[in-house]
Parts: sequence; C-alpha cells; structure tokens
Amino acid sequence: QQQVKQSPQSLIVQKGGISIINCAYENTAFDYFPWYQQFPGKGPALLIAIRPDVSEKKEGRFTISFNKSAKQFSLHIMDSQPGDSATYFCAASISRYSSASKIIFGSGTRLSIRP
Amino acid sequence: DTAVSQTPKYLVTQMGNDKSIKCEQNLGHDTMYWYKQDSKKFLKIMFSYNNKELIINETVPNRFSPKSPDKAHLNLHINSLELGDSAVYFCASSDIAGVTGNEQFFGPGTRLTVL
Repeated sequence: QQQVKQSPQSLIVQKGGISIINCAYENTAFDYFPWYQQFPGKGPALLIAIRPDVSEKKEGRFTISFNKSAKQFSLHIMDSQPGDSATYFCAASISRYSSASKIIFGSGTRLSIRP
Repeated sequence: DTAVSQTPKYLVTQMGNDKSIKCEQNLGHDTMYWYKQDSKKFLKIMFSYNNKELIINETVPNRFSPKSPDKAHLNLHINSLELGDSAVYFCASSDIAGVTGNEQFFGPGTRLTVL
C-alpha cells in the first residue's frame, strides 16, 4: 500500500515532442504528489508538485495531471528539449505527519530527448 | 552558499571498514533525511531527524547509525561495511512548518564503493 508504481522505466522522445510519465498509488491517505528531476551526478530536485484537490497543475512546459478516482497521476513535458534529459521520479507522501513527511518515491524514468 | 552539502563526494573502502558521511544544511530547516540510491536508481529513505530527534528509522541494518549534533547537521556512520552497502547516499532537508513545506532539498550525494 505504500508503493508508488512508475512507468515507463526509460523513454526516448524527439526534440519538440511530448514526454509523458505515469504513476499510480494505492494509499488514499497520500495528499502530496511531487515530481523530482535528477541529472547525472546530482541530487534530485523538486520540479513540480500537486495536491489532490486539483486535477491539473501547470508550470511552464511541465504539467501534472491528477486522477483521484483512478489513483493515478502523470507528468507531461511539452516541447521536450535536450536539456530535459534526466531521470524523473514521481513521489507521494502524507503531509499531515508534520514532524517529518516521509516521501515514497517511484522507481524513476530515464528520459532522453533526441536532438 | 551551497544549501545542502555532503562530504566526501566519493568514498572507496574495503569490506569490514567503518566510515562516516557528513551532511550540513544552511537553509535553517528543522528536518533532515538520509536516502540510499541503489544501482537501479531506486531512492529509499533510511532515516529522518527533526530538531535532532530521530523520527523515521526504516528497516536499516543497525550497522548504520545516524547522529545529529544540531539541527543543521546529520551524519551517517557505517560499521563493518559490506559489498551491498555500495550505493549513492543522499542527505536532504525540509522545513515542514515553513514556506517550502514538504519540499525536500537534496545534497549532491556521496558515492560509496565497497571493495
């Protein structure tokens, strides 16, 4: 119940295309869904996050779509650029554990954008 | 002006040795974490400290012992290193009650190789 399942494991997209990464969760108590981006040799960094009271959040070329009834959420990268090539992690947590929010990470998607 | 820093960046050692990794954050956050990232990029939380108090202690061998001398520092000591301990270890911090809330800020990682 604590798992977050992420797919695909790897993705190759042409420059200018749309990259889509999908995640699913089981625990309905999760109320915070971030996406982290990790470049080789670096630590993960927060890209965008959503709470379940909205179905979509957009920041620039990055959009999270959230389907509460299906317990699924996805990251869409529009006009994908070579600089977007990185590993992307979806995640989920229960933010009401106020002293320490334990984030459960998906298994990661290695995205490569072909020039 | 690095937010979350870790030392060393690389650590190569023999099986059976004892080693430590240090982490410092200058963000004023009250919560710090240790994560292990294996060769398949899977990120798993190991420990979390809030104001020097251990909050999360996942199923981690007791050869791993975290220590938080103050809320800006969280160190990880590993006794009797084993081959399976080879991984990248990330320190992270968050400010649950503050503006950034659940966002976790990761350090650059320490790549541990046990020979």
